Amino acid sequence: EIVLTQSPTTLSLSPGERATLSCRASQSVFNYLAWYQQRPGQAPRLLIYDASIRASGTPARFSGSGSETDFTLTISSVEPEDFAVYYCLQRNSWPLYTFGQGTKLEIK
Amino acid sequence: EVQLVQSGTEVKKPGESLKISCQASGFTFTTHWIGWVRQLPGRGLEWMGMVYPADSDTRYSQAFEGQVTMSADESTTTAYLQWTSLKVSDTAKYFCVLSVRQQLSDWGQGTLVTVS
Repeated sequence: EIVLTQSPTTLSLSPGERATLSCRASQSVFNYLAWYQQRPGQAPRLLIYDASIRASGTPARFSGSGSETDFTLTISSVEPEDFAVYYCLQRNSWPLYTFGQGTKLEIK
Repeated sequence: EVQLVQSGTEVKKPGESLKISCQASGFTFTTHWIGWVRQLPGRGLEWMGMVYPADSDTRYSQAFEGQVTMSADESTTTAYLQWTSLKVSDTAKYFCVLSVRQQLSDWGQGTLVTVS
């Protein structure tokens, strides 16, 4: 089973700062990695798929990069509505998807 | 517009059975996989498995094989997740999700299941 490890567990930033979230896979997932945002009490929302493609409606301040085993989600300037939990997901081992454990982006 | 509307909150006792639903619209139901994701209280997301409505093919994550049953009804464009004997450890929020070209693109609002 492919394991995804996200870091940091919690990221404390002020609005306007740059956020860098990491997701590392236990083996290559090529570029078959997505990022999701989950606000409290809500369903997850797809932000980025295939490592770097923004989903419909994703603001341009969100960008994804990486390949094989190392991936990054960057928020260029954090807005108040961005404070949430972020998950990565790999689909390389379809039909067995796996999620990372999540990174909580909190207000400093 | 894709919509996945899930059934409401459930409170059950250990050993009881349960079937929760996910009513789909806005896409061709029979030709897309519908998946299920568990979120334990205060925890992360876990992939449970998925069902293909056209032929009821199912693919379960090993952790959930034999623990739940996924199904789908073409006539009502509804996917289901069911348990025959609930455990306290099944207490969680359950999300259905649409798979489009293997991307988990659209999510239901979630169904909270409490077993106590």
